[in-house]
Amino acid sequence: EAGVTQFPSHSVIEKGQTVTLRCDPISGHDNLYWYRRVMGKEIKFLLHFVKESKQDESGMPNNRFLAERTGGTYSTLKVQPAELEDSGVYFCASSQDRIAGELFFGEGSRLTVL
Amino acid sequence: AQSVTQPDIHITVSEGASLELRCNYSYGATPYLFWYVQSPGQGLQLLLKYFSGDTLVQGIKGFEAEFKRSQSSFNLRKPSVHWSDAAEYFCAVGPFNTGTASKLTFGTGTRLQVTL
Repeated sequence: EAGVTQFPSHSVIEKGQTVTLRCDPISGHDNLYWYRRVMGKEIKFLLHFVKESKQDESGMPNNRFLAERTGGTYSTLKVQPAELEDSGVYFCASSQDRIAGELFFGEGSRLTVL
Repeated sequence: AQSVTQPDIHITVSEGASLELRCNYSYGATPYLFWYVQSPGQGLQLLLKYFSGDTLVQGIKGFEAEFKRSQSSFNLRKPSVHWSDAAEYFCAVGPFNTGTASKLTFGTGTRLQVTL
């Protein structure tokens, strides 16, 4: 069974540009989460999808971040325009149910904004 | 608001030595507690979790953790470390109420280096 896959693994962009990160969850997992780790800091929750609906987006930093989940399958996280402080590793996770902690994480997408 | 503290940013141990990674949490209700590990080039992998019951929980790769409510701690232990255990370890706390979103609060991580 394939795990959670994320693309790209590393993206380097300039301030003001746009980047789109993609996450393919484990097949059949209705719950999809985005987390972010800024260097040296804790991993922070961004948002949670249940199928195609946003269940909780309380962790989204600002309106430069847009997350979508098409048809309840893969998800994208777009940052537009990117700022220096957006640099970090963006993790995607999925789970089969809503019981806390049964999350399966991808390897993360490292974003570097210059 | 909930928080997780991992006081040790970086720990170095010799292969074969015992290991204890500290984790303290602050949470307003009964928490779910977790330890995740991230090896180089890998995603986060769940080592073990505590929901209820026996306060000493066993995980994968020979790890165990003990929940101490009085100390708000959930320290991770391993009796004999292997070189392959070199990784970054994250403690996390989640909501007990499964009716809410399952978002986790993580600590800042402890990077483990193993010397031969």
